[in-house]
Amino acid sequence: AQSVTQLGSHVSVSEGALVLLRCNYSSSVPPYLFWYVQYPNQGLQLLLKYTSAATLVKGINGFEAEFKKSETSFHLTKPSAHMSDAAEYFCAVSEAHGYALNFGKGTSLLVTP
Amino acid sequence: DAGITQSPRHKVTETGTPVTLRCHQTENHRYMYWYRQDPGHGLRLIHYSYGVKDTDKGEVSDGYSVSRSKTEDFLLTLESATSSQTSVYFCAISESVRAGELFFGEGSRLTVL
Repeated sequence: AQSVTQLGSHVSVSEGALVLLRCNYSSSVPPYLFWYVQYPNQGLQLLLKYTSAATLVKGINGFEAEFKKSETSFHLTKPSAHMSDAAEYFCAVSEAHGYALNFGKGTSLLVTP
Repeated sequence: DAGITQSPRHKVTETGTPVTLRCHQTENHRYMYWYRQDPGHGLRLIHYSYGVKDTDKGEVSDGYSVSRSKTEDFLLTLESATSSQTSVYFCAISESVRAGELFFGEGSRLTVL
């Protein structure tokens, strides 16, 4: 079964610094990979998704992620953090013909002034 | 925003009582899901539906049942609530399995005393 592991339950960066949130996946078939963001007391919103088209995927709010098959990774990055980026981030995976997403445990991003 | 409404948004109940959470969508999407979110566990799939009266179990289905008699409504029932079912429950919908993108409701916070 497919799964994802998010490295680091909490990440703290300074405003303007690089954001790097790590996600490694395990899948027996070519996966679909996703990053979602959750702001306090809200549901999850899709940031970006990889569906085997381009390995570098650009999402909303300046985020992007690169699919690296050799490293089984799909890390999320943003060149310059904003205070508004503080939230919980979830990596998720599904098989191409699966019915549901399997989520990682989440990484809480703190942005300090 | 996807038209997903969860009710109730907040509920406090006592151990042993039945509880039903409702998810209503106005998008006419085929696939619907119930997840629970707990600290340190991320989101875990409880049950999902791939059409009217077509449902299947997810990772943490014990103690839960679901029903879907109409495309727009997906009900999650706790027959006899326990304190371990205290959680935030999220409904999600998806138009296409292959696309994999889920749209989430705002969540229902359930406390079982």
